[in-house]
Amino acid sequence: GESVGLHLPTLSVQEGDNSIINCAYSNSASDYFIWYKQESGKGPQFIIDIRSNMDKRQGQRVTVLLNKTVKHLSLQIAATQPGDSAVYFCAEKDLTGNQFYFGTGTSLTVIP
Amino acid sequence: GAGVSQSPSNKVTEKGKDVELRCDPISGHTALYWYRQSLGQGLEFLIYFQGNSAPDKSGLPSDRFSAERTGGSVSTLTIQRTQQEDSAVYLCASSFGSNQPQHFGDGTRLSIL
Repeated sequence: GESVGLHLPTLSVQEGDNSIINCAYSNSASDYFIWYKQESGKGPQFIIDIRSNMDKRQGQRVTVLLNKTVKHLSLQIAATQPGDSAVYFCAEKDLTGNQFYFGTGTSLTVIP
Repeated sequence: GAGVSQSPSNKVTEKGKDVELRCDPISGHTALYWYRQSLGQGLEFLIYFQGNSAPDKSGLPSDRFSAERTGGSVSTLTIQRTQQEDSAVYLCASSFGSNQPQHFGDGTRLSIL
């Protein structure tokens, strides 16, 4: 079956430092990936996505890296701020299917 | 508002009762998903609607769960004869298609006593 996992369940960083959140996936057919941020009591919020024809994509203060060889996805947050404290999920699917598969999430805590 | 709206935000009910959860997707979004999220867990896919196509019900955990989407817009998730293990946050998401980013509502927190 599908599995999407995270290397670390929790991550603490100092304000201003860069954060890296990792995600492993098992389905080599997966070709669309999304990172979400979820704050307490809220639904997941879209951060950035990437398709398998790319290996890097940048947004505002965030970068997603995709390594299809080792089936690994990472989210880099530059100059982490207290407002970045949340749980971050990766999700993956193959373009022929309907389902996204979500990891269990990494809890990011930013220390002021 | 412009986002996905879910109601109620919280629901407490007794075991054995039926519950209905509502989702208003973003206008123009043809795809709609329901997920279940238990405490500290990832999202468990329940059901997917796309336009007028037959829904993908492969994630529904039992025949006590059903969902419908009327007029390609509002969706209702119904849980019959609720059990304590049904307690979770039920999230709805919509998108322009199955390979587009999903936009989530804030969920319905369901507690079964």
